[in-house]
Amino acid sequence: GQQLNQSPQSMFIQEGEDVSMNCTSSSIFNTWLWYKQDPGEGPVLLIALYKAGELTSNGRLTAQFGITRKDSFLNISASIPSDVGIYFCAGVIQGAQKLVFGQGTRLTINP
Amino acid sequence: SQTIHQWPATLVQPVGSPLSLECTVEGTSNPNLYWYRQAAGRGLQLLFYSVGIGQISSEVPQNLSASRPQDRQFILSSKKLLLSDSGFYLCAWSVGVYNEQFFGPGTRLTVL
Repeated sequence: GQQLNQSPQSMFIQEGEDVSMNCTSSSIFNTWLWYKQDPGEGPVLLIALYKAGELTSNGRLTAQFGITRKDSFLNISASIPSDVGIYFCAGVIQGAQKLVFGQGTRLTINP
Repeated sequence: SQTIHQWPATLVQPVGSPLSLECTVEGTSNPNLYWYRQAAGRGLQLLFYSVGIGQISSEVPQNLSASRPQDRQFILSSKKLLLSDSGFYLCAWSVGVYNEQFFGPGTRLTVL
């Protein structure tokens, strides 16, 4: 089946640093989604991308839909303690009713 | 606005006991509904999804079943729980062609 390779698996950074993570696949996706999950809670949708090349921001978060439609990245600028959590990418293949999820990136911030 | 509810929030059950987890969505009609399981520190595993009342697609053969008795209600069940059924169960909904999914707060199940 389809797989998304998300990297890095974990990140340990200092408060104030910028963060970058990405997802790649051998399959073409029509939609890319980025979620954040806090401990003990359900994932929350951060950014949705619908077109190849699209660059979308949500506050300090910026995500891009790759030109090949096989990858996406998420950047977080000037990280703060509340950015701690697990970030998941997810993709939708045309006509599919379900998402393909990456394995997640666990972000830890040292104050 | 749409909201999604799951209950119970936490559950501790003995091996061999039955299970029923409920998920309801408010503020939307004819949503796609999904059940996921997440092991500790791991990713999301899709268990079941439904595109309409009585329509259930199973992704992983296992000890669980799902039902959708009403448009905005999705139930996850088991007749006899196994230790391996422990985990964090998440319900999600989506509408529209882009399939952005929105998750509930989850149920933490511990089987002893």
